[in-house]
Amino acid sequence: QVQLQESGPGLVKPSQTLSLTCTVSGGSISSGDYYWSWIRQPPGKGLEWIGYIYYSGSTYYNPSLKSRVTISVDTSKNQFSLKLSSVTAADTAVYYCARDQRPRGPAFDIWGQGTMVTVSS
Amino acid sequence: QSALTQPPSASGSPGQSVTISCTGTSSDVGGYNYVSWYQQHPGKAPKLMIYEVSKRPSGVPDRFSGSKSGNTASLTVSGLQAEDEADYYCSSYAGSNNFGNVVFGGGTKLTVL
Repeated sequence: QVQLQESGPGLVKPSQTLSLTCTVSGGSISSGDYYWSWIRQPPGKGLEWIGYIYYSGSTYYNPSLKSRVTISVDTSKNQFSLKLSSVTAADTAVYYCARDQRPRGPAFDIWGQGTMVTVSS
Repeated sequence: QSALTQPPSASGSPGQSVTISCTGTSSDVGGYNYVSWYQQHPGKAPKLMIYEVSKRPSGVPDRFSGSKSGNTASLTVSGLQAEDEADYYCSSYAGSNNFGNVVFGGGTKLTVL
C-alpha cells in the first residue's frame, strides 16, 4: 500500500527557509494518477493547505502563501519537496504531505505521519 | 480565521446520531460538489472519511454520511461509538485555474458522552 513519509529539520531560525521532503513508497509519483500536496497544522489549530505538485512539475499554491512557497518533485527518487522562505513563528506547525485525488476532485486520501517544525532562534 | 465555518464542538451519547455543519459561500461549498471530511485523533494524521460531498472511501463505516444544501455541508455520524471521538474537519474546493485552491474549516471536536 502507498505510504508517505516526511523528513527534514525540526527547528528553523526566523527569516530562514524551511525545507521538507516527502518520500512516497508503494506507488509511483510518475503514474500521473494523483497530485501530491503539502498541508500544515499549527499547534492546537486547524488545517491549512499549502499547495500541490503533479509529476510533470505543474504546481499550484495557496494564494496566501504563494510568494514564499516552492514545491518541487524528483520522480527518480519518488519524492516531492517543500520550501517555505522567510519563515516566522507563525510558520511553526506540523507539516503533512498527502496524496491528492486531483485531477479528480480535491481530497487527501493518504497522509504522512507529519513532522513538527518549530521556528525559533 | 478559517475560510469554512464549523461549530467548535458537538456531542452525543453512544448509539445516537450527531450532525456537524460546515458553512461556506457560493465560491466554495455552494459552487462545487467537492466537499471532503477528515477525522483526526490526537497526535495522529487526519483520515479521509467523506469526499465529493457524500462518497465514502473503502473501509470507512457506513455510519458516516455526508450531504450538502446550498452553501452548507454536513457530516452525520450515526450509531455513535467511543472511537468516533475526535476532531473533524471539512474542506472544499475553492475554484481557480488548474484545479486550484482548497480551504478547510476550523474543526469540530466531537465528544462521545
